[in-house]
Amino acid sequence: RKEVEQDPGPFNVPEGATVAFNCTYSNSASQSFFWYRQDCRKEPKLLMSVYSSGNEDGRFTAQLNRASQYISLLIRDSKLSDSATYLCVVNTEGNQFYFGTGTSLTVIP
Amino acid sequence: SAVISQKPSRDICQRGTSLTIQCQVDSQVTMMFWYRQQPGQSLTLIATANQGSEATYESGFVIDKFPISRPNLTFSTLTVSNMSPEDSSIYLCSVAVSDRRRLAFFGQGTRLTVV
Repeated sequence: RKEVEQDPGPFNVPEGATVAFNCTYSNSASQSFFWYRQDCRKEPKLLMSVYSSGNEDGRFTAQLNRASQYISLLIRDSKLSDSATYLCVVNTEGNQFYFGTGTSLTVIP
Repeated sequence: SAVISQKPSRDICQRGTSLTIQCQVDSQVTMMFWYRQQPGQSLTLIATANQGSEATYESGFVIDKFPISRPNLTFSTLTVSNMSPEDSSIYLCSVAVSDRRRLAFFGQGTRLTVV
């Protein structure tokens, strides 16, 4: 079983739509959780950390459910510039990061 | 945060040759990581580069194929040896930086094509 699993998509949504991505992780001892964004032909960049209490950054909301080992990312009022691949990333007690396969989002005019 | 300079950004190489990728970090970091990202796939950890000791390789990756150097706390190299077309991929250098939690930062990546 993969450490981190994501629906690869693709998600094609119109501008202004709300879209949600989900991710599950297998290691209950995982400690830190993140969403990274990867643009085409670019390196992954941190979008936001995910906290147990849930956190919001502008149009982006991330939530963590430790009991279900589930992480989500909600994007409201989608912009064309949101088109990218979104990677769910989990850090265990050691130094290793585990990456999901990424969810592809295309926002359509 | 950490600023990572990785080079070359891309290369086209003949099969059977070797390519060395360099990664320079703007601050001292304990651990550096090398990943491979094949088309349409997520990141796969090749090895952890340890300063002062041999790199720690993940299952499926061996030192003879991917030798790694880590001469100091700000620099590392990954060599892709005796390349074949199957080695065509993006190779990414990464560091883990601890703030309130441990965050991963990446170099710009090296896009390798083996012909």
